Amino acid sequence: DIQMTQSPSSLSASAGDTVTITCRASQGIRSALGWFQQRPGKAPRRLIHAASSLQNGVPSRFSGSGSGTEFTLTISSLQPEDFATYYCLQYNTFPLTFGGGTKVELK
Amino acid sequence: QVQLVESGGGVVHPGGSLRLSCATSGFSFSGYDMQWVRQAPGKGLEWVTHIRYDGSSEDYGDSVRGRFTISRDNSKNTLYLEMNSLRGEDTALYYCVTSRGADYWGQGTLVTVSS
Repeated sequence: DIQMTQSPSSLSASAGDTVTITCRASQGIRSALGWFQQRPGKAPRRLIHAASSLQNGVPSRFSGSGSGTEFTLTISSLQPEDFATYYCLQYNTFPLTFGGGTKVELK
Repeated sequence: QVQLVESGGGVVHPGGSLRLSCATSGFSFSGYDMQWVRQAPGKGLEWVTHIRYDGSSEDYGDSVRGRFTISRDNSKNTLYLEMNSLRGEDTALYYCVTSRGADYWGQGTLVTVSS
């Protein structure tokens, strides 16, 4: 199975900051990676697919990059509604696997 | 717009069974792969199972293989998850999700396995 190592597990930031979250795959997954945001009590929603393609309706302050085994999600100019938990998902190979999550908290 | 509405969750004893349903609308269900993802209370996301758009193949996570069965009825635009031999560690919110890349999610249905 492909392991997805996501870091950090949590971070504290202020509104207006830029933050970066990383997911590392235990083997190459091409660009078959998505990023998801989950607010408390809500279902996850996809932000990025194919490693770097922005989902329709998602603000452009979210961006993704990477391919192969190393991927990043960058949130520029954090807004109050961005304080949430973020997950990556590799969908290149079954079983699909999620990263452990990154909780972005208000400093 | 895309709507996914899960139902069928509840409280069940260990060893028991439950069948979840996901009623869909707003997209061409028969053309989409579908899957189930779960989230234990206070924990992260865990992929459970996937089915191809035409039902021709299925994949399962190790923790549920042999106990859970995914199926679909394209005439009813509905996805199912049959869960047998339930264990305490199956307690979770179960999400119905479109496509392999997980583009749309339902709100989830809660399954609690407890004696």
